[in-house]
Amino acid sequence: KAGVTQTPRYLIKTRGQQVTLSCSPISGHRSVSWYQQTPGQGLQFLFEYFSETQRNKGNFPGRFSGRQFSNSRSEMNVSTLELGDSALYLCASSLVFGQGETQYFGPGTRLLVL
Amino acid sequence: AQSVTQLDSQVPVFEEAPVELRCNYSSSVSVYLFWYVQYPNQGLQLLLKYLSGSTLVKGINGFEAEFNKSQTSFHLRKPSVHISDTAEYFCAVLSYNNNDMRFGAGTRLTVKP
Repeated sequence: KAGVTQTPRYLIKTRGQQVTLSCSPISGHRSVSWYQQTPGQGLQFLFEYFSETQRNKGNFPGRFSGRQFSNSRSEMNVSTLELGDSALYLCASSLVFGQGETQYFGPGTRLLVL
Repeated sequence: AQSVTQLDSQVPVFEEAPVELRCNYSSSVSVYLFWYVQYPNQGLQLLLKYLSGSTLVKGINGFEAEFNKSQTSFHLRKPSVHISDTAEYFCAVLSYNNNDMRFGAGTRLTVKP
C-alpha cells in the first residue's frame, strides 16, 4: 500500500506570495492532518479534515487554510507569506483522527520564504 | 490543554549501549501517548503508542516505553542501540476528549561507533 505523498517536496517563495501544498493520504484513510515543524517552535498542529470537513484547528492565523476533497486528498494554503512561515509542513493520514489511531506521516514539504 | 516536556534535547550514546529518552506530560484529562522517530529529510514514523492496559509498551526496532501515571511520564528505552538509531525522537500526547495533539520539542539521539 502506498504511503502518504506530499507535493511539492521543496518550495521557495517570497514574502507576500501565497502557496498551496498538496497531500494524498493512504488509500482508505479519511482523516488528514497538517503540522508545521520549525526549529524554534517544534511540531505544531495546524488542522485536521475528515470527510471534507475541518473538525480540529490549531492556534494559527487565518492566513493558513485548507480543504479536503471527496477522494480524501487535501490541500493547505498559506496566503500573504511571512518569513516566519518558512518550515517543514507535514501531512498525516489516519482512518479517523483521535481515538488512539495511528497517524502516518508524509515526507513533508519544505517551504522557504525569502 | 496538555503539554509535553522532553527532558533532554540531545543524547549522545555509544553503539550497543542502553538508552533512555525521557518524556513527561501534563494534562487534566486522560490521554493517549506516542513516540515517533524522524530520520533526516523524512516524515515521522510511529515507534509505539500507549492506549490503555499494560503500562509497558513494546514497539518497533527494539524500543519499548513505560507509562507511569503517578509520575506522568512515558520514557522510551532501548537496551542496545545501533548506529542506525541516530535520529530525532518525539513524544506526543493526544487527549481523549478534544483530539488535541501535542508534541514535545524532540530529543536528538546520536549513536557513536
